[in-house]
Amino acid sequence: EVQLVETGGGLVQPGRSLKLSCVASGFTFNNYWMSWTRQAPGKGLEWVASITNSGGSTYYPDSVKGRFTISRDNAQNTLYLQMNSLRSEDTATYYCTRHLYFDYWGQGVMVTVSS
Amino acid sequence: DIQMTQSPSFLSASVGDRVTINCKASQNINRYLNWYQQKLGEAPKLLIYNANSLQTGIPSRFSGSGSGTDFTLTISSLQPEDVATYFCLQHNSWPFTFGSGTKLEIK
Repeated sequence: EVQLVETGGGLVQPGRSLKLSCVASGFTFNNYWMSWTRQAPGKGLEWVASITNSGGSTYYPDSVKGRFTISRDNAQNTLYLQMNSLRSEDTATYYCTRHLYFDYWGQGVMVTVSS
Repeated sequence: DIQMTQSPSFLSASVGDRVTINCKASQNINRYLNWYQQKLGEAPKLLIYNANSLQTGIPSRFSGSGSGTDFTLTISSLQPEDVATYFCLQHNSWPFTFGSGTKLEIK
C-alpha cells in the first residue's frame, strides 16, 4: 500500500524558514518523480514543486521560485521541501504527492505563517 | 500560465442524477487533464487521468471526456458518498494548474 507521511509543519513568523519532510513507503521511491502541492484554508489547490526521480532536476512556479527548494534522499525514501523567506500567503496545508498523475497524496501538514 | 476555468463552482443534485462538471483550459492541453475528488478534511483522490482513464479502484459511474481545451467529468448516477469538491488539473505544461473546484452536494 502506497503511503506518504508528511511532517514538519507548524507556526512560523514571516521571513523565517521551515523544512517539511515526507516519508514514502509501498512503492519503489527512486523510480518516481515527486511533488509538493498546497491548499490555503478554504481555497483551491496550487502546485508548489516537483523533482525528478534522481533529484537532478527541479521545477517551481514563480510564486515560490527562489524561496522554496525541493530535494530528496532516495536511500531514506524521503522527500523534502525547504521553505525560506516565508510569507503570510504561504499559509496552507502542504501535500506530498507522487508525481505520476499526482496519483497518491499524503494526509497533509499545516503551515501557518503569522507574527 | 495555463488558466483552468472550472464550472459550475457549486452544484446541488439528487441521488441517481447524472452530473457533469466542466473544465476549460486557456490553451490546448491535449489530453493532459486529471480529475480529483476531495472530501471534507481529506486529501484529494485521483479519479480520472489523461482525460478519460479511470484510476484503479474508482467506481465506473465516474467518467471523463474531452481533449484540447474542453473537458468534462461525468457521474452517471449520483450517490450520497459522492458529496465532495472536485478539481481538475492540467499537466500538459509547467506550471501545472488546477481548476478552482466544484462543490457537489445532495439535494
